[in-house]
Amino acid sequence: RKEVEQDPGPFNVPEGATVAFNCTYSNSASQSFFWYRQDCRKEPKLLMSVYSSGNEDGRFTAQLNRASQYISLLIRDSKLSDSATYLCVANSGGYQKVTFGTGTKLQVIP
Amino acid sequence: GAGVSQSPSNKVTEKGKDVELRCDPISGHTALYWYRQSLGQGLEFLIYFQGNSAPDKSGLPSDRFSAERTGGSVSTLTIQRTQQEDSAVYLCASEVGGSYEQYFGPGTRLTVT
Repeated sequence: RKEVEQDPGPFNVPEGATVAFNCTYSNSASQSFFWYRQDCRKEPKLLMSVYSSGNEDGRFTAQLNRASQYISLLIRDSKLSDSATYLCVANSGGYQKVTFGTGTKLQVIP
Repeated sequence: GAGVSQSPSNKVTEKGKDVELRCDPISGHTALYWYRQSLGQGLEFLIYFQGNSAPDKSGLPSDRFSAERTGGSVSTLTIQRTQQEDSAVYLCASEVGGSYEQYFGPGTRLTVT
């Protein structure tokens, strides 16, 4: 079983829709979590950290469910520019325990 | 401010040649990572530097791969006797030590023919 698992998608959603992705992690010792965004043929860019209490940044909301060992990313009012691959990251302590998921592809269609 | 920079952006080399890839991290970031990403695949951890500590080389796929970081800043990843399976995008990321928030460079796309 992979340490961090994501549905590869693609998720095809119309503009203005709300979409949510989940990411499961297997190591219960994981402490820090992040979402990155990666555009086609570009580098990953940090989107947001995921805090235990959940956090929101504009149209983006990230949540952590420790009991079920998953994190989620909710995007409201999807824009065409949101089309990208979203990578989740879990850290179980120390740099060597930073694990990237393989990403969920989102395609927002007009 | 300036982000992470990498050079060259693209490199085409013949099988068996050596290549050097360079990474300039964000000023003040003490941690530096190298990753490899093949087409449609996730990030593969290669090596990690933190300050003046000995690097963690546990992710290097073979002894043909080596890396160094001079003066706690610029890093060079060297691949000797390149093979076709080394073709990938090599990404460098820097981080304020301990935050685990990584900032990536644009990568070097390596093609071994």
